Amino acid sequence: DGGITQSPKYLFRKEGQNVTLSCEQNLNHDAMYWYRQDPGQGLRLIYYSQIVNDFQKGDIAEGYSVSREKKESFPLTVTSAQKNPTAFYLCASSGGTGISGANVLTFGAGSRLTVL
Amino acid sequence: GQQVMQIPQYQHVQEGEDFTTYCNSSTTLSNIQWYKQRPGGHPVFLIQLVKSGEVKKQKRLTFQFGEAKKNSSLHITATQTTDVGTYFCAGPERTSYDKVIFGPGTSLSVIP
Repeated sequence: DGGITQSPKYLFRKEGQNVTLSCEQNLNHDAMYWYRQDPGQGLRLIYYSQIVNDFQKGDIAEGYSVSREKKESFPLTVTSAQKNPTAFYLCASSGGTGISGANVLTFGAGSRLTVL
Repeated sequence: GQQVMQIPQYQHVQEGEDFTTYCNSSTTLSNIQWYKQRPGGHPVFLIQLVKSGEVKKQKRLTFQFGEAKKNSSLHITATQTTDVGTYFCAGPERTSYDKVIFGPGTSLSVIP
């Protein structure tokens, strides 16, 4: 089945440690995204990538980094510079640019990060 | 920057009652999408509206895109417990089409 796989599902981290969240898709989608969701809150965009080897900052990129070396993969690193990293992280992908239907997002199941 | 707002933030309804959530963008949208997130789950795409004034129906759900393409609504007729969840609207940013901005969501609780 085509879809998006995020791992790990749950992650605990000590303050001061970097952590990398994995996101893999087999939908052959060009664009990939990382969103952060806090309890009772909406989705805030961290980074997005329209094409391999290129990515753009979203609204809350500070303290995060990404890479897009392969079309299928878009890992997110939560660095020690991120002041409040405890959150639910959602990866998504879409079929690419265009007016109609192209930027509909398919989400992974999410990774829940807790900083102790 | 571009903002997408939704009201209400929370809605509690008795099963069988109707429910409506409203979405407003600070700028004109080329399209608007609606997603549903069940408690503990991830957002799932429901529908996309592209044309000004467009109305689409999915069983008990009716989606509408405003004439000015800056607002949208989702109406659920005769809610059921399976409708519980958070409903998000989302749209592409005006200057970067692939940058999809989400509203804060409306959380729906249905009392059996």
